[in-house]
Amino acid sequence: DADVTQTPRNRITKTGKRIMLECSQTKGHDRMYWYRQDPGLGLRLIYYSFDVKDINKGEISDGYSVSRQAQAKFSLSLESAIPNQTALYFCATSDPGQGLSNEKLFFGSGTQLSVL
Amino acid sequence: AQSVTQPDIHITVSEGASLELRCNYSYGATPYLFWYVQSPGQGLQLLLKYFSGDTLVQGIKGFEAEFKRSQSSFNLRKPSVHWSDAAEYFCAVGFTGGGNKLTFGTGTQLKVEL
Repeated sequence: DADVTQTPRNRITKTGKRIMLECSQTKGHDRMYWYRQDPGLGLRLIYYSFDVKDINKGEISDGYSVSRQAQAKFSLSLESAIPNQTALYFCATSDPGQGLSNEKLFFGSGTQLSVL
Repeated sequence: AQSVTQPDIHITVSEGASLELRCNYSYGATPYLFWYVQSPGQGLQLLLKYFSGDTLVQGIKGFEAEFKRSQSSFNLRKPSVHWSDAAEYFCAVGFTGGGNKLTFGTGTQLKVEL
């Protein structure tokens, strides 16, 4: 089983609909992230959480919200989806406990979201 | 704020040829630099990273990268490319205390011709 699991893998929805993307991890990491990937733009950070009680906005948080239900779960919501939110969304985790030099991101396989 | 530039959107090389992917960064202090690879339909996987010390770092799959402070560059190299190296490659920069809130470049798509 994958260490970082994203559901669903693909989703097509209509403008104005509420959408939730889910991420769960079995790595035991405190830190979790949501990134968005657009062709030609690379990955951009939407939200991140350093522990269950810590939620922070990234560079492109407008139109999104998150919930850290547990150490292992971090959900991303689009309250009212719009077409320019069509993108590939990645969840990632990291563990600072091994020291900064050893910290790295572990990514899920992504969720392709299309907003019509 | 930090930024990362990958000037090559697409690169095509023949199998067995050498490879160099360019990455330039902008950051006021000493950066932490990373290269990630994304295979089709997959998430990103860390190839290598630079935090301090030796400016030539070795990574997985035979890749290496060299940090050149004077040029603000962190180019990725491989002496002999394999067909399985076809993927998209992302350079990223982080900073102390950033907790992996990385800034990614726009990516370079590598095609390998047999």
